[in-house]
Amino acid sequence: GQQLNQSPQSMFIQEGEDVSMNCTSSSIFNTWLWYKQDPGEGPVLLIALYKAGELTSNGRLTAQFGITRKDSFLNISASIPSDVGIYFCAGRTSGGSNYKLTFGKGTLLTVNP
Amino acid sequence: NAGVTQTPKFQVLKTGQSMTLQCAQDMNHNSMYWYRQDPGMGLRLIYYSASEGTTDKGEVPNGYNVSRLNKREFSLRLESAAPSQTSVYFCASSVNRNTEAFFGQGTRLTVV
Repeated sequence: GQQLNQSPQSMFIQEGEDVSMNCTSSSIFNTWLWYKQDPGEGPVLLIALYKAGELTSNGRLTAQFGITRKDSFLNISASIPSDVGIYFCAGRTSGGSNYKLTFGKGTLLTVNP
Repeated sequence: NAGVTQTPKFQVLKTGQSMTLQCAQDMNHNSMYWYRQDPGMGLRLIYYSASEGTTDKGEVPNGYNVSRLNKREFSLRLESAAPSQTSVYFCASSVNRNTEAFFGQGTRLTVV
């Protein structure tokens, strides 16, 4: 099956620092999604990317759909304590029945005030 | 706007017991999904329903059954619970199979 490699697995940063995380795949995806999960909650969609090369921002968050369609990154600028959580990437292929989302294993972000 | 609602939020079962996890969405979405989340494994798809009246197996369907009762509701049934099914279960829905999924708050299931 398709696999996504998400890195890093965890990050410990100081408030105010910028954060970068990424996902890579051996398969080509036509959609990349980034989710955040707070403790005890379900994942919440942050950014959706539908086109290779697309760069999209949502407040302090910026995500890009890689040109090769096999990778994506998420940047968080000027981190704040409420950014703490697990960030997941998810990718979807196109064609036939292959439209299911494949999730990365997550990046656990800790922000020290 | 409730979005995706899952019940119950917590459940403890004995090995061999059965139960049904309920999920309902009020966003008029066509597609619905059941995932399980285990430490270090990310989210894995159990079953999905691309549209009302259809269901298909995902990555880890063994030990589960599903019912797409109507457009709003998609239930997950464990016929004979096993300790390996201890997990956090998430229901999700999307407008259609090619759009982003929105998740419920999860059901934390422990099988002893």
